[in-house]
Amino acid sequence: QVQLVQSGAEVKQPGASVKVSCKASGYTFYAYYMHWVRQAPGQGLEWMGVFKPTSGSTDYAQKFQGRVTMTGDVSTTTVYLEVYGLQSDDTAVYYCARNGAGHNYFDFWGRGTQVTVSS
Amino acid sequence: DVQMTQSPPALSASVGDRVTITCRASQTISAWLAWYQQKPGEAPKLLIYRASSLESGVPSRFSGSGSGTDFSLTISSLQPDDFATYYCQQYVSFPLTFGGGTKVEIK
Repeated sequence: QVQLVQSGAEVKQPGASVKVSCKASGYTFYAYYMHWVRQAPGQGLEWMGVFKPTSGSTDYAQKFQGRVTMTGDVSTTTVYLEVYGLQSDDTAVYYCARNGAGHNYFDFWGRGTQVTVSS
Repeated sequence: DVQMTQSPPALSASVGDRVTITCRASQTISAWLAWYQQKPGEAPKLLIYRASSLESGVPSRFSGSGSGTDFSLTISSLQPDDFATYYCQQYVSFPLTFGGGTKVEIK
């Protein structure tokens, strides 16, 4: 069965960086894109970008260009999201989510990683 | 960017009610629309893709319709497990965007 297991909660100071991981199992890792979506407290869902395992390429939402990096390791079937220059409004739950069959909707989601930015 | 507008933002309904949530895109997206259900403290769950295709394992009381700019999600007979927040999402182009959500509460 498909599983996306994310790393644990993080507390960071303003200006710091955070790296969140998402380990995939139960399917052919390189055959599906992996997206990152975040949700601030009490707010809706916000797409951040996508990592494409076959090529290692990425597409980022313009809002996050230059401030995030998405990478992956095929050998460990793990995808990573790194966010730089954290501010208080980056406090959110960060989800990894697998691409649906050839299209950019999300058929499986990780449980989320809480990132709290606080001094 | 394609803006997605959901309505209503919240609704109160009783078990057994028929519930319809609407989603409007700022430009045509053909049928490249998905619906998700999210319960507090949980990740979203895919219900519908390509506007009207039911994801495997999702109860048949959920249905989706629409194309172009106007879409709807209908729950034919609301069950206790259905009280949650629902989101639409377009996937015609990047950036992928979501509606603001509709919270379905118990009347």
